Amino acid sequence: AQSVTQLGSHVSVSEGALVLLRCNYSSSVPPYLFWYVQYPNQGLQLLLKYTSAATLVKGINGFEAEFKKSETSFHLTKPSAHMSDAAEYFCAVRTLKTSYDKVIFGPGTSLSVIP
Amino acid sequence: NAGVTQTPKFQVLKTGQSMTLQCAQDMNHNSMYWYRQDPGMGLRLIYYSASEGTTDKGEVPNGYNVSRLNKREFSLRLESAAPSQTSVYFCASAPRDTEAFFGQGTRLTVV
Repeated sequence: AQSVTQLGSHVSVSEGALVLLRCNYSSSVPPYLFWYVQYPNQGLQLLLKYTSAATLVKGINGFEAEFKKSETSFHLTKPSAHMSDAAEYFCAVRTLKTSYDKVIFGPGTSLSVIP
Repeated sequence: NAGVTQTPKFQVLKTGQSMTLQCAQDMNHNSMYWYRQDPGMGLRLIYYSASEGTTDKGEVPNGYNVSRLNKREFSLRLESAAPSQTSVYFCASAPRDTEAFFGQGTRLTVV
């Protein structure tokens, strides 16, 4: 069965500091992996995606993530945090077979950026 | 291009009432999904449909039913609403090999 864990429900960083949000997954077949961001009272916006091409994926707003199969991880990073990065971040795994197509989300990490 | 459209955006129900949340997508996607979002629990999959004519249970299907009416539409029905079903509901659709696209959500309160 698929599952996603995100270590740390709340992460605080100083403005300008490195952002690291952790995601580990389990999947019975090679997965597709995604990071979404959600701002208060808004919908979900895709940050970046891994769909079996390059393992280092760059996304919007300076974020990137690296797919590590051996560690079953897909951690999200940004070199320098900005105040506007404060939001909820969700990691998701998609497992696709002939008649089976689940997209499972992790519980989310709330990112605070301290001025 | 409307994307994924959910109706209604807000709803208040009394315990025991029934209602149907509507979802339609205009992107010709095969797969569609219903999620609920509760604080601290992320998005939990209620039901999904991998193609027109098929539906399957997700992580939290109890108390819900779905209908994939056609390729565009995927509705979620609460037969007898309970306060535990107070949540924000999201519908999504996806093509074969990439990310899901989400609607703006329905905020449901059951009193």
